[in-house]
Amino acid sequence: DIVMTQTPLSSPVTLGQPASISCRSSQSLLHSDGNTYLSWLQQRPGQPPRLLIYKISNRFSGVPDRFSGSGAGTDFTLRISRVEAEDVGVYYCMQATQFPHTFGQGTKLEIK
Amino acid sequence: QVQLVESGGGVVQPGRSLRLSCAASGFTFSSYAMHWVRQAPGKGLEWVAVISSDGSYKYYADSVKGRLTISRDNSRNTLYLQMNSLRAEDTAVYYCAKDGGTVARGAFDYWGQGTLVTVSS
Repeated sequence: DIVMTQTPLSSPVTLGQPASISCRSSQSLLHSDGNTYLSWLQQRPGQPPRLLIYKISNRFSGVPDRFSGSGAGTDFTLRISRVEAEDVGVYYCMQATQFPHTFGQGTKLEIK
Repeated sequence: QVQLVESGGGVVQPGRSLRLSCAASGFTFSSYAMHWVRQAPGKGLEWVAVISSDGSYKYYADSVKGRLTISRDNSRNTLYLQMNSLRAEDTAVYYCAKDGGTVARGAFDYWGQGTLVTVSS
């Protein structure tokens, strides 16, 4: 199974400041079809997860442009350009290149 | 708008069975693969199973293989998870999630609110 490792596990951020979450996979997520199936999800307290980013860097419909994704191979990053209060929650990376699909442990974003 | 509504959760004794349902609306259900994902209390997300749009292929996490069965009824726009031989470690909120299809393939673009399954004597 592909292991997804996120850092940090907790990230206290000042409102209006940037935040960054790293996700590393135990093997390359490049699929034989040429795509890399790495996505990012946000889970606000008491809510189901919500898709933010798919295939490394594509923002899903309705996701603010302060969220961006980058990376390749085994190293990926989610960036929030200016954190807002509504961004509080847990962020997960997920790989769907191979079965079983696997998630990172989650990174808790909180306001300082 | 896309809606996924899970039902069927509850408290069940170890070794017993339960069937979860996920009613889908707002999209062409028969055109998309569907997933079950679970989250134990206070823990992270765990992918459980996927079923293709026509039901012809299914994959499972090793932790549930042989005990949980995913299925779908495209005429009823409903996804199911038959849970047999339940264990305490199956206690979790179970979410159904829609696959992103050709555009967002491999991403889960819509999620239900989840249904809680508690396995306890």
